[in-house]
Amino acid sequence: AQSVTQPDIHITVSEGASLELRCNYSYGATPYLFWYVQSPGQGLQLLLKYFSGDTLVQGIKGFEAEFKRSQSSFNLRKPSVHWSDAAEYFCAVGANNLFFGTGTRLTVIP
Amino acid sequence: DTEVTQTPKHLVMGMTNKKSLKCEQHMGHRAMYWYKQKAKKPPELMFVYSYEKLSINESVPSRFSPECPNSSLLNLHLHALQPEDSALYLCASSQAWTSGYETQYFGPGTRLLVL
Repeated sequence: AQSVTQPDIHITVSEGASLELRCNYSYGATPYLFWYVQSPGQGLQLLLKYFSGDTLVQGIKGFEAEFKRSQSSFNLRKPSVHWSDAAEYFCAVGANNLFFGTGTRLTVIP
Repeated sequence: DTEVTQTPKHLVMGMTNKKSLKCEQHMGHRAMYWYKQKAKKPPELMFVYSYEKLSINESVPSRFSPECPNSSLLNLHLHALQPEDSALYLCASSQAWTSGYETQYFGPGTRLLVL
């Protein structure tokens, strides 16, 4: 069965600092992988996706993610965080349906 | 344009009311989805429509009744809801439904409160 794990429930970073959000998945075949961001009370916005090919994927708002098959991971990174990045981040795996991790809440402090 | 619109933004209803949520997309997508999201939880799939036909019903109670009148429009009819049905209801669409191997675009959601 497929599953997605986001081990960090809440992360706090200073504005301008780098960011890495962790995501591990479990799936028998090569999955499609996604990162979505959700601001409070809002819908989900697609940041980036991985289907195949280059394992380093560039997304919107300066985010990137790297697919590592050997580690079953798809971690999200950003070199310099802005206050507007504060939100809930969901990793998701496309396998039969779209399955979401439990999310990581990002707080950005000045 | 990757916009999915949902109305209303907020809805308060009593347990005996009948109401409907509406979702619209004009991207030519042929798959549309309803998700339910409780506070501080990830979205959970409720229904999938593919080419205006119901393809997946994730064991959702019959007090939720989806409808897809055309390829651009998706409704969710609500009747005799319970307070535990209070949640953010998200609509999404994709070019097609390929069992998870598709990119879904989400609307802003309808926040529902059942009293």
